[in-house]
Amino acid sequence: GENVEQHPSTLSVQEGDSAVIKCTYSDSASNYFPWYKQELGKGPQLIIDIRSNVGEKKDQRIAVTLNKTAKHFSLHITETQPEDSAVYFCAARRRGSTLGRLYFGRGTQLTVWP
Amino acid sequence: DAGVIQSPRHEVTEMGQEVTLRCKPISGHDYLFWYRQTMMRGLELLIYFNNNVPIDDSGMPEDRFSAKMPNASFSTLKIQPSEPRDSAVYFCASSFHSSSYEQYFGPGTRLTVT
Repeated sequence: GENVEQHPSTLSVQEGDSAVIKCTYSDSASNYFPWYKQELGKGPQLIIDIRSNVGEKKDQRIAVTLNKTAKHFSLHITETQPEDSAVYFCAARRRGSTLGRLYFGRGTQLTVWP
Repeated sequence: DAGVIQSPRHEVTEMGQEVTLRCKPISGHDYLFWYRQTMMRGLELLIYFNNNVPIDDSGMPEDRFSAKMPNASFSTLKIQPSEPRDSAVYFCASSFHSSSYEQYFGPGTRLTVT
C-alpha cells in the first residue's frame, strides 16, 4: 500500500514568519493530496488539496506544491498567526481506488509564538 | 448542517467491558469512515462504508472490533472485550461521491480503557 512520510514532527515559528511542512509518498499511482488541520479537541479539517495534474495551488496564506517526479508535496503557510497553531496532516489517495482510503502522514505540530 | 455527530465524546471503561461508539454522518453523504488516532500510530483507517455496505475493513485490528451501518444515518463501532491498548481517539468521517474527495470529520470519541 501507500506510505506517506511527513516532516518535521514539530515546528515552532515566530508570528509573521513562514512555515513549511514536507511529505513524501511511495505509490506513483497516487493522484490526490489533501492537507488537514486538526485543532485541539477537534477532528481534522481539510484546508487545501492538490491533484496530480497541478503543480501548485494557493489559497490566501496557504499554498501547496507537488513534485510528481520526486514524489513529494509541501504545505507553505506565510505570515503565520497564533491561530495557525495546530496539528497538520498530509495525505495521499491512489488513482483508481474507490473513494476513501486516504493514507495519512504522522502529523506536524505547528506552534506559532506571538 | 450540524456536521458529523459522534457520541459519546468521552468514554472511560474497564478492561473486558463492551464499548459502543456511535456516529451520525452528514445527511446525504454516502461514504462513512472510522479512524483511530494514537500518538504511536497516528491516524489509522479502520473501516469504511459506501451506501451502508462495508467496502474495506482491512484496518480493523482484530476480531474484537466490529462496525455496522444499519442505515444511511447511523453507524456503530463496537469493541468487545475492550483492552487498555484500545485507548485512543476514534473519529468518524463522512463524504459524498463527487469530484470532491473531502472527508468531513466528527469531533471524535476519546476512549480510555483501564
